[in-house]
Amino acid sequence: EVQLVQSGAEVKKPGESLKISCKGSGYSFINYWIGWVRQMPGKGLEWMGIIHPGDSDTRYSPSFQGQVIISADKSISTAYLQWNSLRASDTAMYYCARQSWFCNNGVCYTRWFDPWGQGTLVTVSS
Amino acid sequence: QSALTQPASVSGSPGQSITISCTGTSSDVGGYNYVSWYQQHPGKAPKLLIYDVSYRPSGVSNRFSGSKSGNTASLTISGLQAEDEADYYCSSYTSSITLVVFGGGTKLTVL
Repeated sequence: EVQLVQSGAEVKKPGESLKISCKGSGYSFINYWIGWVRQMPGKGLEWMGIIHPGDSDTRYSPSFQGQVIISADKSISTAYLQWNSLRASDTAMYYCARQSWFCNNGVCYTRWFDPWGQGTLVTVSS
Repeated sequence: QSALTQPASVSGSPGQSITISCTGTSSDVGGYNYVSWYQQHPGKAPKLLIYDVSYRPSGVSNRFSGSKSGNTASLTISGLQAEDEADYYCSSYTSSITLVVFGGGTKLTVL
């Protein structure tokens, strides 16, 4: 079974750092891109960025560029989402998902997100 | 404001059919056949229902179908069941710098 398992809920204070994880199993982890999606309380889905675990090629949504760091360790089939200085506005559920991503003639396209991790709730409060 | 526009809510009775629309532009929905749909039950992760406008992944009920006309994609659920009550999101590739866009989500209530 293809599965993504995320790390547990976190409660942090503003200014603290955090790294959450997403471990893949049941498929060749290095051959599929992993995307990260934010869902703020009571709100919709927002795409944050994507990484190819095989070569760590990373792309960010402009809204999240410079705000978070996406990384991966292919030796343990795990992708990460990291903050160096959290804000209260980072309070949200964060999902990883296997993301279909392919490039043709220099243009990259995405088709679907499947499967999704169970989500990691990040709460930032003083 | 989300890049793709969905109705905030729709409702239907068991056994009926409903359709959820997802309106974008020629830079996303209208320009490419890379529209996908997701179902999210409360407190759960989203689940892929439809990809590439109208294709169902293995294991997804054939009561779910997708289509597109111009800049608007649609998800139709036939034979509504109580378990279909959930939030539904559309997504599309976009040629803009954002690369991926989601709709704001539609809450389906089964009466």
